[in-house]
Amino acid sequence: DVKVTQSSRYLVKRTGEKVFLECVQDMDHENMFWYRQDPGLGLRLIYFSYDVKMKEKGDIPEGYSVSREKKERFSLILESASTNQTSMYLCASSPPGYSGNTIYFGEGSWLTVV
Amino acid sequence: AQSVTQLDSQVPVFEEAPVELRCNYSSSVSVYLFWYVQYPNQGLQLLLKYLSGSTLVKGINGFEAEFNKSQTSFHLRKPSVHISDTAEYFCAVSKWDDKIIFGKGTRLHILP
Repeated sequence: DVKVTQSSRYLVKRTGEKVFLECVQDMDHENMFWYRQDPGLGLRLIYFSYDVKMKEKGDIPEGYSVSREKKERFSLILESASTNQTSMYLCASSPPGYSGNTIYFGEGSWLTVV
Repeated sequence: AQSVTQLDSQVPVFEEAPVELRCNYSSSVSVYLFWYVQYPNQGLQLLLKYLSGSTLVKGINGFEAEFNKSQTSFHLRKPSVHISDTAEYFCAVSKWDDKIIFGKGTRLHILP
């Protein structure tokens, strides 16, 4: 069974803290994604990676960075957390390319910044 | 640029009644179309997708969707809903060699 695992389901962090959200997939997928989900706004792409050490900005990269040192692991980093980054974060992966490939999602990480 | 519009943010429906969740897209080229479902406190999972061929696509849990090129629509339907269908449903579109774009979601509320 395919699996995308996000290490933390619920986190509470203080403003200004550095936050790491970790994601691991076991499907040997080239593509990995980080989305942010907010009520009424749907899913917005933060960053994606199509290979180890490769990354591209999505629609809302400001305030975030990513790291992909190994194929199976994709980390989202909030350098200095702010209250407007309180949200649900979804990691996902897919096979290479985009041609109709199914995207597989983790269960999400709820981040609250206080 | 492509975009996708889900016309209803919330849809209430009685249990065992039929439901249709509407989705329209805009694109000047051929597209791939998807419906994903998100059950409470979970990530998204694929419900069904249209890549080519038959315009009627069947998915999991009794859902189906019809691709209508002239109307640029991909509406999701189920003839009889169950309480377990309570979830948020996302329509999505992509074209060859480009990233997927998600709609803003439709919350399906099943009334007893």
